Amino acid sequence: EDKVVQSPLSLVVHEGDTVTLNCSYEVTNFRSLLWYKQEKKAPTFLFMLTSSGIEKKSGRLSSILDKKELFSILNITATQTGDSAVYLCAAHYNTDKLIFGTGTRLQVFP
Amino acid sequence: DAMVIQNPRYQVTQFGKPVTLSCSQTLNHNVMYWYQQKSSQAPKLLFHYYDKDFNNEADTPDNFQSRRPNTSFCFLDIRSPGLGDAAMYLCATSRPLEKLFFGSGTQLSVL
Repeated sequence: EDKVVQSPLSLVVHEGDTVTLNCSYEVTNFRSLLWYKQEKKAPTFLFMLTSSGIEKKSGRLSSILDKKELFSILNITATQTGDSAVYLCAAHYNTDKLIFGTGTRLQVFP
Repeated sequence: DAMVIQNPRYQVTQFGKPVTLSCSQTLNHNVMYWYQQKSSQAPKLLFHYYDKDFNNEADTPDNFQSRRPNTSFCFLDIRSPGLGDAAMYLCATSRPLEKLFFGSGTQLSVL
């Protein structure tokens, strides 16, 4: 069965902390790994990763993919209250299917 | 701006009364997806179209149907909504194997 699993399910930190979110996948004909941020609305795109070992970075957020071990991490440094959200990992596979993981709920307190 | 637009934002229907949710896009993307998202859960893929080719997920109930009359529009029909079908329904589009663009979603309530 194709699946994407994220950990932890929930994370509570203080502003300024650094967090690492994990995503593992088992899908047929893997194509790419995507990260989305979801607040109280539709998911917004963060990163798309297709190659192992190449870090993608956007401000305080960064992500990397390991295609040998079938996982990805999303790092957020110097967290802010505005980073509070559910972070979704998704795997693109076969020709155009995309399935999401369970999500990690991040809460950042002042 | 090019967009994925879902109507309505909120839909209330009665138990067993058919309902149709709509999605349109101005991005001219080949692929259109429908996801169901229940409270505190990840979006679950119901089906997707690659152009006119329809791809149904194995565990999508028969109660859910979809139509894509042209590139721009896609509809989700729920033939006999049950209480368990209350959820956020998300439409998304993409070019093949590229990132998905999501609409704002339709929140469906079943009374």
